[in-house]
Amino acid sequence: QSALTQPASVSGSPGQSITISCTGTSSDVGGYNYVSWYQQHPGKAPKLMIYEVSNRPSGVSSRFSGSKSGNTASLTISGLQAEDEADYHCSSYTSRSPYVFGTGTKVTVL
Amino acid sequence: EVQLVQSGAEVREPGESLKISCKGSGYIFTNYWIGWVRQMPGKGLEWMGVYYPGDSDTRYSPSFQGQVTISADKSISTAYLQWSSLKASDTAMYYCARHNCGSCPFEFWGQGTLVTVSS
Repeated sequence: QSALTQPASVSGSPGQSITISCTGTSSDVGGYNYVSWYQQHPGKAPKLMIYEVSNRPSGVSSRFSGSKSGNTASLTISGLQAEDEADYHCSSYTSRSPYVFGTGTKVTVL
Repeated sequence: EVQLVQSGAEVREPGESLKISCKGSGYIFTNYWIGWVRQMPGKGLEWMGVYYPGDSDTRYSPSFQGQVTISADKSISTAYLQWSSLKASDTAMYYCARHNCGSCPFEFWGQGTLVTVSS
């Protein structure tokens, strides 16, 4: 099972919006609405930010939103803040594994 | 409050065995899947496998099948990840995480256990 493909890095200035993509196949991202996104600060455990493509757990800022089109899911962070600087990982249920993560994206706030 | 508390950092030599643990509290241990996730230095997350303490159902990623063993002791609400013969390439941070079902996200995470394999 190959990892889902994410850009290595994305950057933006405070207040801007950025979008991170997560590309898979019809056997994972495209086949199920079970895409999740996790935020990971250096030296910390991942934190669930989005589940089932676009749902936010209680306590997660509404500045974080998710969507999906075909085999690509996306995480958008609006009103970028310094505290959003972290690594972001997507994941998807798959027909084979049954779970796969993305390659990870480092978000830098300029 | 749901908590997953993992055992401390370990240093082993290649060829040695190891068992690390993840103790759950604040919920009914047998009602939720526990998964294990590897993160090699400077790399992304890799799903290793999951275990359902209720009936001992275990599922492994093809990449880790035969390389590790996932188990649990229901009586002490603790899940385990073990190796029979470590390699240098097993050096990584290992996280346990809880999810509600096979397709559900990992909602709660342990703090991580750093495993270093070096001669």
